[in-house]
Amino acid sequence: QLQLQESGPGLVKPSETLSLTCTVSGGSISSSSYFWGWIRQSPGKGLEWIANIYYSGTTYYNTSLRSRVTILVDTSKNQFSLNLSSVTAADTAVYYCARVLRAGIIDYFDYWGQGTLVTVSS
Amino acid sequence: QLVVTQAPSASASLGASVKLTCTLSSGPSTSAIAWYQQQPQKGPRFLMRLNIDGSHTKGDGIPDRFSGSRSGADHYLTISTLQSDDEADYYCQTWASGIWVFGGGTKLTVL
Repeated sequence: QLQLQESGPGLVKPSETLSLTCTVSGGSISSSSYFWGWIRQSPGKGLEWIANIYYSGTTYYNTSLRSRVTILVDTSKNQFSLNLSSVTAADTAVYYCARVLRAGIIDYFDYWGQGTLVTVSS
Repeated sequence: QLVVTQAPSASASLGASVKLTCTLSSGPSTSAIAWYQQQPQKGPRFLMRLNIDGSHTKGDGIPDRFSGSRSGADHYLTISTLQSDDEADYYCQTWASGIWVFGGGTKLTVL
């Protein structure tokens, strides 16, 4: 059974960089059938897609966050990661990692991690 | 710009049926979407992919009570025989040209 687990600091200071890692188990991150992505949810709000990455390193970014976001993949560790720079309180959210199934007409998030709360505060 | 619209709330009685709507306000009218359920204090769960022809492909373990359909730019999630644990937020999502977009979600209350 595929599992995704987010890890990283739960508290980040304003203006610093938020860094999270997603460890994938029960499947290979190097499969050609999937992307791997990050989604966040601010308290009481809806889901916001952040970025996706293919095992080859091809990336896709939400245009509203593109200038501050970097997504990376490490196939040797079966992990992918998220860096979000210059954070503010508005970046406080639960961050989810997920697998993206490439289904042709639509690519969708078929497996999700449990999520990790990141609070931006001094 | 791709915009996905959902009503913020819906309600229906225990044992009844409810139909949630997701409207794509731009992009190709033949777009497919995906539906997700997020129960309170839990992460989202993939429910189904709603295909261009109106058929749907469900996730593992999703009961038959959940079904999808579409009419033009409107995409529907129907939940029949509502149970208490169907009370949740429901999100739709679409995709175009390397951009993934979620709707704002519908909070379903089971009365």
